[in-house]
Amino acid sequence: SQTIHQWPATLVQPVGSPLSLECTVEGTSNPNLYWYRQAAGRGLQLLFYSVGIGQISSEVPQNLSASRPQDRQFILSSKKLLLSDSGFYLCAWSSHRGRGNTEAFFGQGTRLTVV
Amino acid sequence: SQELEQSPQSLIVQEGKNLTINCTSSKTLYGLYWYKQKYGEGLIFLMMLQKGGEEKSHEKITAKLDEKKQQSSLHITASQPSHAGIYLCGGGLTNFGNEKLTFGTGTRLTIIP
Repeated sequence: SQTIHQWPATLVQPVGSPLSLECTVEGTSNPNLYWYRQAAGRGLQLLFYSVGIGQISSEVPQNLSASRPQDRQFILSSKKLLLSDSGFYLCAWSSHRGRGNTEAFFGQGTRLTVV
Repeated sequence: SQELEQSPQSLIVQEGKNLTINCTSSKTLYGLYWYKQKYGEGLIFLMMLQKGGEEKSHEKITAKLDEKKQQSSLHITASQPSHAGIYLCGGGLTNFGNEKLTFGTGTRLTIIP
Protein backbone atom coordinates (compact mmCIF):
# COMPACT_ATOMS: atom_id res chain seq x y z
CA SER A 1 0.00 0.00 0.00
CA GLN A 2 1.04 3.57 -0.56
CA THR A 3 2.10 5.86 2.25
CA ILE A 4 3.32 9.41 2.46
CA HIS A 5 5.68 10.72 5.11
CA GLN A 6 6.14 14.37 5.91
CA TRP A 7 8.38 15.80 8.60
CA PRO A 8 8.83 17.48 10.93
CA ALA A 9 5.32 17.83 12.34
CA THR A 10 6.08 21.18 13.95
CA LEU A 11 8.88 23.66 13.47
CA VAL A 12 9.78 26.99 15.03
CA GLN A 13 12.37 28.95 13.12
CA PRO A 14 13.78 32.48 13.47
CA VAL A 15 13.36 35.03 10.72
CA GLY A 16 16.19 34.81 8.22
CA SER A 17 17.00 31.18 8.92
CA PRO A 18 16.90 28.50 6.20
CA LEU A 19 14.13 25.93 5.81
CA SER A 20 13.99 22.38 4.57
CA LEU A 21 10.82 20.30 4.71
CA GLU A 22 10.91 16.81 3.33
CA CYS A 23 8.23 14.56 1.95
CA THR A 24 8.61 10.99 0.76
CA VAL A 25 6.15 8.60 -0.82
CA GLU A 26 6.27 4.81 -0.64
CA GLY A 27 4.47 2.14 -2.59
CA THR A 28 4.08 3.92 -5.91
CA SER A 29 6.24 5.18 -8.73
CA ASN A 30 6.31 8.36 -10.80
CA PRO A 31 3.68 10.14 -8.72
CA ASN A 32 2.57 13.73 -9.11
CA LEU A 33 3.81 15.57 -6.02
CA TYR A 34 2.49 18.76 -4.45
CA TRP A 35 3.31 21.31 -1.77
CA TYR A 36 0.48 23.38 -0.32
CA ARG A 37 0.30 26.04 2.34
CA GLN A 38 -2.74 26.70 4.47
CA ALA A 39 -3.34 29.81 6.52
CA ALA A 40 -5.35 29.32 9.71
CA GLY A 41 -8.85 28.10 8.89
CA ARG A 42 -8.50 28.82 5.19
CA GLY A 43 -8.20 26.91 1.95
CA LEU A 44 -5.08 25.36 0.46
CA GLN A 45 -2.74 27.45 -1.64
CA LEU A 46 -0.85 25.42 -4.23
CA LEU A 47 2.83 26.33 -4.01
CA PHE A 48 4.57 23.79 -6.23
CA TYR A 49 3.73 20.68 -8.16
CA SER A 50 5.93 18.16 -9.93
CA VAL A 51 5.15 15.54 -12.55
CA GLY A 52 8.63 14.00 -12.58
CA ILE A 53 12.20 14.16 -11.30
CA GLY A 54 13.61 17.64 -11.71
CA GLN A 55 10.30 18.98 -13.08
CA ILE A 56 8.93 21.67 -10.80
CA SER A 57 6.08 24.07 -11.53
CA SER A 58 5.79 27.10 -9.28
CA GLU A 59 2.39 28.63 -8.71
CA VAL A 60 3.15 31.53 -6.41
CA PRO A 61 6.23 33.74 -6.59
CA GLN A 62 7.85 33.84 -3.16
CA ASN A 63 11.05 33.09 -1.36
CA LEU A 64 10.32 29.38 -1.29
CA SER A 65 11.66 26.77 -3.69
CA ALA A 66 11.05 23.09 -4.27
CA SER A 67 13.16 20.25 -5.54
CA ARG A 68 12.57 16.65 -6.51
CA PRO A 69 15.94 14.90 -6.38
CA GLN A 70 14.39 11.44 -6.48
CA ASP A 71 11.17 10.05 -7.91
CA ARG A 72 9.39 9.86 -4.57
CA GLN A 73 11.06 12.69 -2.67
CA PHE A 74 9.86 16.27 -2.65
CA ILE A 75 11.63 19.00 -0.69
CA LEU A 76 10.44 22.50 0.17
CA SER A 77 13.20 24.98 0.94
CA SER A 78 13.93 28.57 1.74
CA LYS A 79 17.24 30.37 2.11
CA LYS A 80 15.84 33.02 4.44
CA LEU A 81 12.47 32.69 6.15
CA LEU A 82 10.07 35.59 6.49
CA LEU A 83 7.40 36.03 9.14
CA SER A 84 4.81 35.63 6.40
CA ASP A 85 6.08 32.10 5.71
CA SER A 86 4.38 30.87 8.88
CA GLY A 87 1.59 28.43 8.20
CA PHE A 88 0.57 24.82 7.82
CA TYR A 89 2.41 23.07 4.99
CA LEU A 90 0.99 19.98 3.38
CA CYS A 91 2.61 17.57 0.98
CA ALA A 92 0.50 15.36 -1.27
CA TRP A 93 0.79 12.87 -4.10
CA SER A 94 -1.53 11.60 -6.82
CA SER A 95 -1.22 9.06 -9.59
CA HIS A 96 0.44 10.17 -12.77
CA ARG A 97 -1.62 10.70 -15.91
CA GLY A 98 -1.99 7.62 -17.99
CA ARG A 99 -3.01 5.66 -14.95
CA GLY A 100 -6.28 7.49 -14.59
CA ASN A 101 -7.06 10.30 -12.22
CA THR A 102 -7.09 9.51 -8.54
CA GLU A 103 -7.57 11.66 -5.54
CA ALA A 104 -4.55 13.24 -3.89
CA PHE A 105 -3.23 11.64 -0.73
CA PHE A 106 -1.98 14.01 1.92
CA GLY A 107 0.69 13.92 4.57
CA GLN A 108 -0.09 15.00 8.10
CA GLY A 109 1.37 18.44 7.60
CA THR A 110 4.07 20.61 9.12
CA ARG A 111 3.14 23.57 11.26
CA LEU A 112 5.80 26.21 10.70
CA THR A 113 6.08 29.21 12.99
CA VAL A 114 8.58 31.88 12.04
CA VAL A 115 9.54 34.05 15.02
CA SER B 1 -7.21 35.42 -8.29
CA GLN B 2 -8.55 32.20 -6.85
CA GLU B 3 -9.36 29.63 -9.51
CA LEU B 4 -11.73 27.72 -7.27
CA GLU B 5 -14.19 29.63 -5.13
CA GLN B 6 -16.24 28.11 -2.34
CA SER B 7 -19.33 29.48 -0.70
CA PRO B 8 -20.13 30.13 1.98
CA GLN B 9 -16.79 30.72 3.70
CA SER B 10 -18.29 29.66 7.00
CA LEU B 11 -21.50 27.99 7.98
CA ILE B 12 -23.16 27.48 11.36
CA VAL B 13 -25.92 24.90 11.28
CA GLN B 14 -28.11 23.43 13.96
CA GLU B 15 -27.69 19.71 14.44
CA GLY B 16 -30.15 17.76 12.33
CA LYS B 17 -30.48 20.43 9.63
CA ASN B 18 -29.45 20.06 6.01
CA LEU B 19 -26.77 22.20 4.38
CA THR B 20 -25.10 22.81 1.03
CA ILE B 21 -21.59 23.99 0.16
CA ASN B 22 -20.81 25.21 -3.33
CA CYS B 23 -17.63 25.15 -5.38
CA THR B 24 -17.21 27.17 -8.58
CA SER B 25 -14.36 27.08 -11.05
CA SER B 26 -13.36 29.66 -13.61
CA LYS B 27 -12.12 26.81 -15.82
CA THR B 28 -13.33 23.37 -16.81
CA LEU B 29 -12.49 20.85 -14.14
CA TYR B 30 -10.77 17.62 -15.04
CA GLY B 31 -11.68 15.83 -11.86
CA LEU B 32 -13.37 17.40 -8.84
CA TYR B 33 -12.46 16.25 -5.34
CA TRP B 34 -14.09 16.94 -1.99
CA TYR B 35 -12.10 16.71 1.23
CA LYS B 36 -12.79 17.30 4.88
CA GLN B 37 -10.22 18.56 7.36
CA LYS B 38 -10.15 18.92 11.09
CA TYR B 39 -8.11 21.89 12.25
CA GLY B 40 -4.38 21.29 12.11
CA GLU B 41 -4.71 17.84 10.60
CA GLY B 42 -4.38 16.28 7.19
CA LEU B 43 -7.18 16.00 4.68
CA ILE B 44 -9.72 13.21 4.56
CA PHE B 45 -10.88 12.29 1.08
CA LEU B 46 -14.66 12.25 0.65
CA MET B 47 -15.52 11.90 -3.03
CA MET B 48 -14.26 12.32 -6.55
CA LEU B 49 -16.42 13.38 -9.51
CA GLN B 50 -15.22 13.27 -13.09
CA LYS B 51 -18.14 13.31 -15.49
CA GLY B 52 -20.51 16.16 -16.16
CA GLY B 53 -23.77 15.57 -14.34
CA GLU B 54 -22.22 12.97 -12.03
CA GLU B 55 -23.58 12.53 -8.53
CA LYS B 56 -22.20 10.44 -5.69
CA SER B 57 -23.34 9.73 -2.16
CA HIS B 58 -21.67 8.38 0.92
CA GLU B 59 -23.66 8.03 4.10
CA LYS B 60 -25.35 11.43 4.52
CA ILE B 61 -23.14 13.35 2.10
CA THR B 62 -24.01 13.85 -1.57
CA ALA B 63 -21.83 15.60 -4.13
CA LYS B 64 -22.78 16.71 -7.63
CA LEU B 65 -20.84 18.03 -10.61
CA ASP B 66 -22.71 20.12 -13.17
CA GLU B 67 -22.84 19.29 -16.87
CA LYS B 68 -20.27 21.94 -17.77
CA LYS B 69 -17.92 20.63 -15.08
CA GLN B 70 -17.41 24.06 -13.57
CA GLN B 71 -19.62 23.86 -10.52
CA SER B 72 -20.02 21.32 -7.74
CA SER B 73 -22.14 21.16 -4.64
CA LEU B 74 -21.79 19.15 -1.46
CA HIS B 75 -24.97 18.45 0.44
CA ILE B 76 -25.18 17.08 3.97
CA THR B 77 -28.47 15.70 5.19
CA ALA B 78 -29.42 15.70 8.87
CA SER B 79 -26.10 17.16 10.02
CA GLN B 80 -24.30 15.72 13.04
CA PRO B 81 -21.48 17.06 15.24
CA SER B 82 -19.09 14.70 13.45
CA HIS B 83 -19.64 16.69 10.24
CA ALA B 84 -17.95 19.76 11.71
CA GLY B 85 -14.69 20.80 10.09
CA ILE B 86 -13.31 22.52 7.04
CA TYR B 87 -14.57 21.31 3.67
CA LEU B 88 -12.34 21.79 0.66
CA CYS B 89 -13.00 21.24 -3.00
CA GLY B 90 -10.09 20.53 -5.30
CA GLY B 91 -9.92 20.33 -9.05
CA GLY B 92 -7.58 19.35 -11.84
CA LEU B 93 -7.22 22.39 -14.07
CA THR B 94 -5.30 21.03 -17.00
CA ASN B 95 -6.37 18.57 -19.62
CA PHE B 96 -3.73 16.24 -18.28
CA GLY B 97 -6.04 15.66 -15.36
CA ASN B 98 -4.93 16.18 -11.83
CA GLU B 99 -1.37 17.36 -12.44
CA LYS B 100 -2.18 20.90 -11.34
CA LEU B 101 -4.46 20.14 -8.42
CA THR B 102 -5.86 23.40 -7.08
CA PHE B 103 -8.06 23.83 -4.03
CA GLY B 104 -10.82 26.22 -3.13
CA THR B 105 -10.97 28.74 -0.35
CA GLY B 106 -12.54 26.29 2.09
CA THR B 107 -15.79 26.30 4.06
CA ARG B 108 -15.69 26.10 7.85
CA LEU B 109 -18.71 24.16 9.10
CA THR B 110 -19.83 24.42 12.72
CA ILE B 111 -22.64 22.24 14.06
CA ILE B 112 -24.48 23.56 17.08
CA PRO B 113 -26.75 21.45 19.31
